This record gives sequence, C-alpha cells and structure tokens, in this order.
Amino acid sequence: QSALTQPASVSGSPGQSITISCTGTSSDVGAYNYVSWYQQHPGKAPKLMIYDVSNRPSGVSNRFSGSKSGNTASLTISGLQAEDEADYYCNSYTRGSTLYVFGTGTKVTVL
Amino acid sequence: EVQLVESGGGLVQPGGSLRLSCAASGFTFSSDSMNWVRQAPGKGLEWVSYISSSGSIYYADFVRGRFTISRDNAKNSLYLQLNSLRDEDTGVYYCARDSGSGWSNLDYWGQGTLVTVSS
Repeated sequence: QSALTQPASVSGSPGQSITISCTGTSSDVGAYNYVSWYQQHPGKAPKLMIYDVSNRPSGVSNRFSGSKSGNTASLTISGLQAEDEADYYCNSYTRGSTLYVFGTGTKVTVL
Repeated sequence: EVQLVESGGGLVQPGGSLRLSCAASGFTFSSDSMNWVRQAPGKGLEWVSYISSSGSIYYADFVRGRFTISRDNAKNSLYLQLNSLRDEDTGVYYCARDSGSGWSNLDYWGQGTLVTVSS
C-alpha cells in the first residue's frame, strides 16, 4: 500500500487561502468518503482537523475546510494565520490489504 | 478529559524486542477501537496497526508478522509487541483512538514513545 501523494510544501501570506492536495487511488480516496486531515506542530502529537472528507471536529476553526473530487482530496485553510504553520497529513480508509494509509505530508509556511 | 499515555520505548539492538503500552482514561476504553501510528525521525506519519473493540485486528504490510497488537479492557490499556526490530523501525510510536464514527477518524492521540533500534 503506497502512501497518498501530497505536495512537500505550500506557503502563503497571512490572510491568504491555501489548498493542500492529497492524491490516492480508486482503492482508497476515490472509493470512500473516509478521508481525514491532521495538523502536527514540531515535537507535538498530530491533531485531527477534518474527518469524513469535510467535517470539522468541535473546536477546530471554520477556516479549515475539506473536499474531494475523484481520487484527490483537498484541505483548504482560509485567512491564513501564523499559528497555522505546521505539517499537515491526510489519511484514508483503504480496501487494500491494510486499513489506513497516510499521505506523505505537507509543510505549510506562513510568509 | 480523554488521555492517552504511551510508555515502553527505549534503545534496543537490531533483532531485539520491546513491548509498548498505552494507558487510556477519560472515555469508555472497551467500547472504542484503537490504533498505533509511528513517525521516523524527520519523516511522515505511518499507520501501523488497528484493533477494534471486538478484537478485529489489522496491520500495515511492513509489519509482516513482527508486531502484535493487543488490548486489556480491564486495565484500560493498549499494547504493541515489537519483535525482530530493524533500524528502520526507529521512531516515535503514537497510540490514537478511533472515534467510532465511520473510519479514518483518529480523534485523540498520546504524546508518543520513542523507539530507537541501534547497535
């Protein structure tokens, strides 16, 4: 089971919007609406930001939104803030021989 | 408050074994599925294993019979037995709760325990 493909880095200025893509296959991202996104600051545990493609857990800012088209899921951060600078990972349920697969990770830099 | 606290990491030689533990509190542990996720130094997250509340188990392909996940609901604890360890198994191992709402919804994570495989 190969990792989902994410861009290595994305950057934006404060207040701007950025989008991170997560490309899988018809066996994972394209097959189910079970895609989640995690934010990880250096030295910290990951934090769930989006689940079921577009749902936000309680307490997560509405500046974070998710979507999916075909085999590609996306995370959009609007009104970019300094505190959003972190690594972001997507995850998908898969009907392969395993259960879950993570993306390669994207480092978000706020300029 | 949900808390997950991992322990058991350390330095081990290639071919050696370790048993990781994850102590859970603040929720009904016996009702929830759990996962282990690892992260090599400077690398991305990698899903390792899953165990449901009823005992269904899944592993990542790279485990290949070397790791064993288990749980003790009476002790509110999750375990990961690591055998035949290799250099590439080095990293931080996190336990994470599966929320039970659908799939791919790891809503609470521990702080991680570091496993270092080196001679």
